[in-house]
Amino acid sequence: ETGVTQSPTHLIKTRGQQVTLRCSSQSGHNTVSWYQQALGQGPQFIFQYYREEENGRGNFPPRFSGLQFPNYSSELNVNALELDDSALYLCASSLGGRGKNEQFFGPGTRLTVL
Amino acid sequence: KQEVTQIPAALSVPEGENLVLNCSFTDSAIYNLQWFRQDPGKGLTSLLLIQSSQREQTSGRLNASLDKSSGRSTLYIAASQPGDSATYLCAVNTGFQKLVFGTGTRLLVSP
Repeated sequence: ETGVTQSPTHLIKTRGQQVTLRCSSQSGHNTVSWYQQALGQGPQFIFQYYREEENGRGNFPPRFSGLQFPNYSSELNVNALELDDSALYLCASSLGGRGKNEQFFGPGTRLTVL
Repeated sequence: KQEVTQIPAALSVPEGENLVLNCSFTDSAIYNLQWFRQDPGKGLTSLLLIQSSQREQTSGRLNASLDKSSGRSTLYIAASQPGDSATYLCAVNTGFQKLVFGTGTRLLVSP
């Protein structure tokens, strides 16, 4: 069974640029959630994708957007990067768009915005 | 709005001690609660999942309890080891598997 993978591991961008982060869900999982974790804080929910549709969104502006593919892998896109977007971005996969299933996290992508 | 608090923020203990980490949440309408471990700069490793209908879960030296009505959970670590040093996060599932996290307890176990 393959776990959750994310790419790239690290990324450095400058303010105003755009970035795409990628996540492959665990085998058999159809739901991917994205979280942003600033240094010293707990992760904050960005949004979730279930069967290729957005299925809930946290308090993040529209310049944070996402996509889920038929194989349930997912992308997080951030436009017009700001310094405060520097964080660890985590994706989590699970089975089912609602309910009680355990979520499994990937290793994260560390984004630095200069 | 669901808020999750973890106390203490940091904890330092000698090897072999038993310890308790606390998590409290403001809204008892949760689906489940998960405890995670995070090593510096790394992703989250799921330790225990407690469904809202359960009172506790155990895995090895770890035991997590849940009192939904009072909005509290505890993670008990028995016979702590230096390898247990990490940040421990609790998260409540508020529905549609959206997790609300606390800010974590940073644990250091000294040999």
